[in-house]
Amino acid sequence: GAVVSQHPSWVICKSGTSVKIECRSLDFQATTMFWYRQFPKQSLMLMATSNEGSKATYEQGVEKDKFLINHASLTLSTLTVTSAHPEDSSFYICSAAGLAGGNEQFFGPGTRLTVL
Amino acid sequence: GESVGLHLPTLSVQEGDNSIINCAYSNSASDYFIWYKQESGKGPQFIIDIRSNMDKRQGQRVTVLLNKTVKHLSLQIAATQPGDSAVYFCADLISGSARQLTFGSGTQLTVLP
Repeated sequence: GAVVSQHPSWVICKSGTSVKIECRSLDFQATTMFWYRQFPKQSLMLMATSNEGSKATYEQGVEKDKFLINHASLTLSTLTVTSAHPEDSSFYICSAAGLAGGNEQFFGPGTRLTVL
Repeated sequence: GESVGLHLPTLSVQEGDNSIINCAYSNSASDYFIWYKQESGKGPQFIIDIRSNMDKRQGQRVTVLLNKTVKHLSLQIAATQPGDSAVYFCADLISGSARQLTFGSGTQLTVLP
């Protein structure tokens, strides 16, 4: 159990376009979802925390108007990278925490974004 | 601010040997620690966790040791196999932090044949 999926697994887009990434908890309900960004050979950096039905909380230095997060249901959160630029190229990973309130997060497989 | 750091960026071991990956954390309020394995192009995979009220926890071929006195965490992998080659991250969580994990910088483990 506790499977998290992401779609798409990879995407290539032109500079200036917007890209939406979906994160789904397949077999459990997630009150909280987290979005991370990971550059090559670096660690995961938390971008934002998303609670179902409320606005996301962004980490310092992450532009909320550029990285739009929607968490409309207990099984789906979306990250939209607006007006993407080559420097936004990265590996985007989501994780989900369940209703039980435990500490464990379940990670998705990641989405590779390449902006040309 | 808080940091969770690793002592070594790379580690190479012979197949069959034991591996030890270390991690230091700075915030004494951290009370939950997790080790993740990340293979290239994939998301992190949970390996083992430990709470601050424990010093040691064992799983299948893995053991996590926690030394709160020196704020040090280690992951021991017994009889390392080629499939263990990956980047290993420690992460910590502070109670009351909205379940936000802070990741260390990662150690690349390479298992040599």
